[in-house]
Amino acid sequence: NFMLTQPHSVSESPGKTVTISCTRSSGSIASNYVQWYQQRPGSAPTTVIYEDNQRPSGVPDRFSGSIDSSSNSASLTISGLKTEDEADYYCQSYDSAGVFGGGTKLTVL
Amino acid sequence: QVQLVESGGGLVKPGGSLRLSCAASGFTFSDYYMSWIRQAPGKGLEWVSYISSSSSYTNYADSVKGRFTISRDNAKNSLYLQMNSLRAEDTAVYYCARGEGADYWGQGTLVTVSS
Repeated sequence: NFMLTQPHSVSESPGKTVTISCTRSSGSIASNYVQWYQQRPGSAPTTVIYEDNQRPSGVPDRFSGSIDSSSNSASLTISGLKTEDEADYYCQSYDSAGVFGGGTKLTVL
Repeated sequence: QVQLVESGGGLVKPGGSLRLSCAASGFTFSDYYMSWIRQAPGKGLEWVSYISSSSSYTNYADSVKGRFTISRDNAKNSLYLQMNSLRAEDTAVYYCARGEGADYWGQGTLVTVSS
């Protein structure tokens, strides 16, 4: 099966934009949908993006997802950063089995 | 609203067994694949298993294959994970989630494997 690689951590200032990448090791990133989850300390993960670029109801439009076949990666972009966005973010995809990225700690300072 | 509530976690000795349950509500349970995902203390998320809507298809992570069994009861809107031959490295919070894409998650149940 394939692996998904994320940066360990990113940081940015409030009001700015940050992008978190998720690179697929083998096979096309476009072959299977990518999801993104936010996990705050002590809480269960919640979905912020599903099916590559779809936003669940209740998730602000500051969150967006995309895939790039040239780099075989998916990206989560958060604009207008708020301190409440500080959390761990995980990408996920699946074919015959589920695969998670290692997670990215977002610090908003 | 979609609700997933896990139960059955606890402290178990190495080599022991535990059965986790997940009670689902707020959606047509029999229409969806269901997944188990775990998170060891201070670590990232790890996919464990999923099961198709009719139970005809299941799959497992290599780390649990042969020891864990996923099942479901659509009449009871319930998902299960039978965990046998437990090891210290199985210590984690176990989450049930809706679908292969895990669009909704429960709050999790803690499994601790220790002597």
